[in-house]
Amino acid sequence: GQNIDQPTEMTATEGAIVQINCTYQTSGFNGLFWYQQHAGEAPTFLSYNVLDGLEEKGRFSSFLSRSKGYSYLLLKELQMKDSASYLCAALTDSWGKFQFGAGTQVVVTP
Amino acid sequence: DAGVTQSPTHLIKTRGQHVTLRCSPISGHKSVSWYQQVLGQGPQFIFQYYEKEERGRGNFPDRFSARQFPNYSSELNVNALLLGDSALYLCASRGTSGTYEQYFGPGTRLTVT
Repeated sequence: GQNIDQPTEMTATEGAIVQINCTYQTSGFNGLFWYQQHAGEAPTFLSYNVLDGLEEKGRFSSFLSRSKGYSYLLLKELQMKDSASYLCAALTDSWGKFQFGAGTQVVVTP
Repeated sequence: DAGVTQSPTHLIKTRGQHVTLRCSPISGHKSVSWYQQVLGQGPQFIFQYYEKEERGRGNFPDRFSARQFPNYSSELNVNALLLGDSALYLCASRGTSGTYEQYFGPGTRLTVT
């Protein structure tokens, strides 16, 4: 079957680092994407990995291991505005079909 | 440049009715995808269209249908609405320059009573 698993919720303190893990098992794979979604809003693109390794974009970094079916999103120097749901999504074909995980709710506390 | 636009923003329907949701992609984008997001879950893929052809279909009943117009805008139709169809319906568009990055519209919040 096809599965994308990520933790339901994580809590961290302002200024800290949080790592959100994602494991995937899909019939096709063309890359792993991370989206941020604030309550009541649409998802916004954060980063993606096609090849193994680490991609860094400011305070956000994402890692992919295709052989392990594993990715993580690293959020550094957490700010209150980072409180949101973070969605892991696998691109499963060349046309643009994504399979999403259920999302990880990150709560940033003062 | 305008982003992906969707209409209406909110909609309330009763069971058994029909609904049409509309989406305009980012200018120059030829690919449009539709997703259903139930509260507390990630988006679920419904359809993907490219150059007016259906390129992918998710695990949704035949009550769901869609089409893409020559100007690349798209409609999602849902017939015989059920309570379980209540969700946020998201449209996403993607360019064709080699990137797989897709951009979501604000969504249409459908409530079925």
